[in-house]
Amino acid sequence: NAGVTQTPKFQVLKTGQSMTLQCAQDMNHEYMSWYRQDPGMGLRLIHYSVGAGITDQGEVPNGYNVSRSTTEDFPLRLLSAAPSQTSVYFCATLMAPANTEAFFGQGTRLTVV
Amino acid sequence: EDKVVQSPLSLVVHEGDTVTLNCSYEVTNFRSLLWYKQEKKAPTFLFMLTSSGIEKKSGRLSSILDKKELFSILNITATQTGDSAIYLCAGGGGSEKLVFGKGTKLTVNP
Repeated sequence: NAGVTQTPKFQVLKTGQSMTLQCAQDMNHEYMSWYRQDPGMGLRLIHYSVGAGITDQGEVPNGYNVSRSTTEDFPLRLLSAAPSQTSVYFCATLMAPANTEAFFGQGTRLTVV
Repeated sequence: EDKVVQSPLSLVVHEGDTVTLNCSYEVTNFRSLLWYKQEKKAPTFLFMLTSSGIEKKSGRLSSILDKKELFSILNITATQTGDSAIYLCAGGGGSEKLVFGKGTKLTVNP
């Protein structure tokens, strides 16, 4: 039972490059979300989805795009990477609307040089 | 805008001490308050609280929610070096997303 799988685990990008962080879940959870974690800042919500075909912005959405074509996958796209996007990114899923525990992927450490 | 505030942001104690971590929240249509422990990787779930005044316990950890005053506490008794971690508090509400605080970094020295 894989749970929430994020790829890659590590990535180095040059400023201006684009890339996609992958998140896949096999728990049939409706709700998926992306967070970034910076030192001393906790987890800040980037984008989230309440089901296939539905996405919404979180606290820090600028510079990121998402789509949700299936229940299982929720990719996060960096359109033109900037050093300010150097961070650890976590994908998380929830079974029901915000009243159950969130399940996290193992994180992607992204460095933009 | 939904907000979760944790205090203190950092805490250093000696093994055997008891610590109390605080979490206050302002979450629209509040449903639940969650506590997570984060060591080197992803956060791991500790507690979910939905009702006021009912203590949840797991070993040396316990937590309680006060929905009138909009806060929760996480207690750790007889701390051990393995308790060293970042403790995260999150509020869930009607907007169907979890809002996290900045976390409390706990360091337990031998």
